[in-house]
Amino acid sequence: SQQGEEDPQALSIQEGENATMNCSYKTSINNLQWYRQNSGRGLVHLILIRSNEREKHSGRLRVTLDTSKKSSSLLITASRAADTASYFCATDEPGRRALTFGSGTRLQVQP
Amino acid sequence: EAGVAQSPRYKIIEKRQSVAFWCNPISGHATLYWYQQILGQGPKLLIQFQNNGVVDDSQLPKDRFSAERLKGVDSTLKIQPAKLEDSAVYLCASSLVHRNYFYEKLFFGSGTQLSVL
Repeated sequence: SQQGEEDPQALSIQEGENATMNCSYKTSINNLQWYRQNSGRGLVHLILIRSNEREKHSGRLRVTLDTSKKSSSLLITASRAADTASYFCATDEPGRRALTFGSGTRLQVQP
Repeated sequence: EAGVAQSPRYKIIEKRQSVAFWCNPISGHATLYWYQQILGQGPKLLIQFQNNGVVDDSQLPKDRFSAERLKGVDSTLKIQPAKLEDSAVYLCASSLVHRNYFYEKLFFGSGTQLSVL
């Protein structure tokens, strides 16, 4: 079963705009991670946020975590055509040593 | 550093045939994972190894899927016999072991795209 569900399923924006993707999950977590997947490639780790953190930044990425609402958001600022990819959130549940991935958001950045 | 290596890149077989995938993780990574990713979905864990021991294989269809990680380094995943619904990308990933078992990041290979006709 998939723990995280991303919203929206697909997003199309113009270069230079910001892109926001949301992830909701069902159980308590130790941490939450975001990954990017370019077409035909494996997943690449973007950022990890622990359950006791509320916000984290990495370059043009900003991640927030609200454990009371069991949700997270990924913001990509000043998007580029190269950001076109699928983005997945992944969570690990206490007592289970496996990352569970959501269904992903497909982002298309138009040049 | 070298990344996670997988082969083959693509495989086309007929249903009821067998197929095997190979993975070599990043050197020094004790934990190895096989994920199945069906088109349009997120990856689903099939099996997780720590060194050469199985940590989690609860979602592995054991009547047709098998995996091994001899000597705690590279790994093979086998499907026998294959079904149409096994068409997917099979991703291998590896990670360092954190002493508290809190997850650090996973490093993924490019995957093997399997088509079962």
